[in-house]
This record gives sequence, C-alpha cells and structure tokens, in this order.
Amino acid sequence: GESVGLHLPTLSVQEGDNSIINCAYSNSASDYFIWYKQESGKGPQFIIDIRSNMDKRQGQRVTVLLNKTVKHLSLQIAATQPGDSAVYFCAESGKGYQKVTFGIGTKLQVIP
Amino acid sequence: DTGVSQDPRHKITKRGQNVTFRCDPISEHNRLYWYRQTLGQGPEFLTYFQNEAQLEKSRLLSDRFSAERPKGSFSTLEIQRTEQGDSAMYLCASSPDGGGYGYTFGSGTRLTVV
Repeated sequence: GESVGLHLPTLSVQEGDNSIINCAYSNSASDYFIWYKQESGKGPQFIIDIRSNMDKRQGQRVTVLLNKTVKHLSLQIAATQPGDSAVYFCAESGKGYQKVTFGIGTKLQVIP
Repeated sequence: DTGVSQDPRHKITKRGQNVTFRCDPISEHNRLYWYRQTLGQGPEFLTYFQNEAQLEKSRLLSDRFSAERPKGSFSTLEIQRTEQGDSAMYLCASSPDGGGYGYTFGSGTRLTVV
C-alpha cells in the first residue's frame, strides 16, 4: 500500500546545531502530514503537523516544510538539545484525521 | 486526567493462550485507536472507534483479534490463541474529533509470546 518513508535511518548532530530530518511520501491523497517523537519505552508524542494546503508551519524550535511537487516532508529542529535524542517518525493521515500511517523512523543522536 | 493509560505495561504469555489488554483514553476524547509496533518499525494501524462504534479495521486484525469499546470509554483488545508473531508493542491512542495536537498515544503494552 501507499506509505511514508525516510531517507536516513540515523542522524548524529552536535548539541546546539540545527537538525533536519527528511521524509518522502507516496500518497498524494494525504490531507495531513505529522511528525512524532518517540523516546525509548514510550508511545509516539505529537510534535507538529501540517495540512496539505500549506508549505510551512512553525512551532516552538521546530519547523515543518512540505513540498508536494516532489512529495517531500522535512522537520527542522533549531538549537538541538540532548533531550531531543529520540526516534522521529513522519506520518500521514487523510481527511478527518483518523487513521495515521507511519514511516520507518529516524534515530536522532545529539552529541554533547 | 493524566493522558492515555494502558494496562498491563508488559505481558509474557505462552503460545496458544489468550490475552486481553485495556486502554483508558483521555476522558473527553471521542475517538480511540489501536496500533501495533514491532522493533525498529513505525506503529501500524489496527482499528478505530468513534464512541462505541468500531468504524475501521485493518487487514492486520485477523480473526484472532477482537477489540471492543462497550460504553464509549475504555477499550479492550483481545488476542486469542497467541502466536510468536504477535509479539509486539500494542499502542492505544485517543483524540478529539479532528485529531491533530490532541492525538495522544499511551505508553503501550509490550507482549512477548514464548
């Protein structure tokens, strides 16, 4: 079936630097694109989402960019901190925001 | 309300036994979801409730799996005649209508079938 996926399985970043996590998707009918953070032993935690009619959305230290032309999604984390170390999943959902389809995940390692 | 609660956190069972997991969603959330996550993979959707009505089931939810949400509050997921391939983290999530920021996951139940 259609799915979302990630370019890089592991990303190592120096503390204080900006992080960029990339994701490719294949479902053109997706209405929402979402980023989740998952720490060991915990469920995924919502970070930020973007609707398909937008190309950029900012939150606290995070920015999501959506390029529908090339079906690409990215998450930018500013001034990466040790607490940002986790696995990050991109995901998508259709209209009504019910079932969420997850990608494989990228592990972010922050080097102190 | 402290979020989505799942019980138990861990379950070890012998192959062929039945197991039941419980999920207590955030009280004002109408929607409740079950997902399954294996090591190194993203969660996979299993099923979804709007109040007490089960509106969608994944093909992953074989005949051995059944989920209920009898009063539109807590939900149970039962697996009958467990197989080793059922070993996974079972995650529950709840959301208000419209999802988004309110789409909240519990910490999951880790099932190990030996």
